[in-house]
Amino acid sequence: DTGVSQDPRHKITKRGQNVTFRCDPISEHNRLYWYRQTLGQGPEFLTYFQNEAQLEKSRLLSDRFSAERPKGSFSTLEIQRTEQGDSAMYLCASSLRAEVTEAFFGQGTRLTVV
Amino acid sequence: AQSVTQLGSHVSVSEGALVLLRCNYSSSVPPYLFWYVQYPNQGLQLLLKYTSAATLVKGINGFEAEFKKSETSFHLTKPSAHMSDAAEYFCAVSRDDKIIFGKGTRLHILP
Repeated sequence: DTGVSQDPRHKITKRGQNVTFRCDPISEHNRLYWYRQTLGQGPEFLTYFQNEAQLEKSRLLSDRFSAERPKGSFSTLEIQRTEQGDSAMYLCASSLRAEVTEAFFGQGTRLTVV
Repeated sequence: AQSVTQLGSHVSVSEGALVLLRCNYSSSVPPYLFWYVQYPNQGLQLLLKYTSAATLVKGINGFEAEFKKSETSFHLTKPSAHMSDAAEYFCAVSRDDKIIFGKGTRLHILP
């Protein structure tokens, strides 16, 4: 399967702990996006990368959140000192071109903070 | 700024009936528009996209959508609903090199 893959699929953590999620995009895709989706809502944009450069961060991305794409391939999203409000589905997507005519999504990582 | 509004957070149709999910966009120029489908605990799958070519766009699973500039609409239709169509549907627009989503419409199929 050469689609976007995310790991883990599910994560349960205690409040205050740090968590890290991984996304492997489609191999030739330069653009990588992170979204957050809470229950009953559409995905909300968090940040995106062009190769290894992080080009934009949403105001939703507090200082506790950090994302990297060290070699322009896979990406990680870390949440420090998790809060219950961080409970959500975290979606990763990739696209081939800067002008987004199509983006492919992974299965998501569902985070539950208890 | 470009955005989309989906009318109706829940829509119920009988199996075999017409499916119509409504989406209006706000944009000063013809945008790129998308419909995605999401099944429970899954990621998003692209149903179809409009990229300034034909105004009637055909997608997967028998869905299609028509871009109407005069109405700023991009409604999703399917002639005959199937039980497997029950899912969440998102209209989206490309803006500033990223995709912005509507709040979604949950489609229920009644037997």
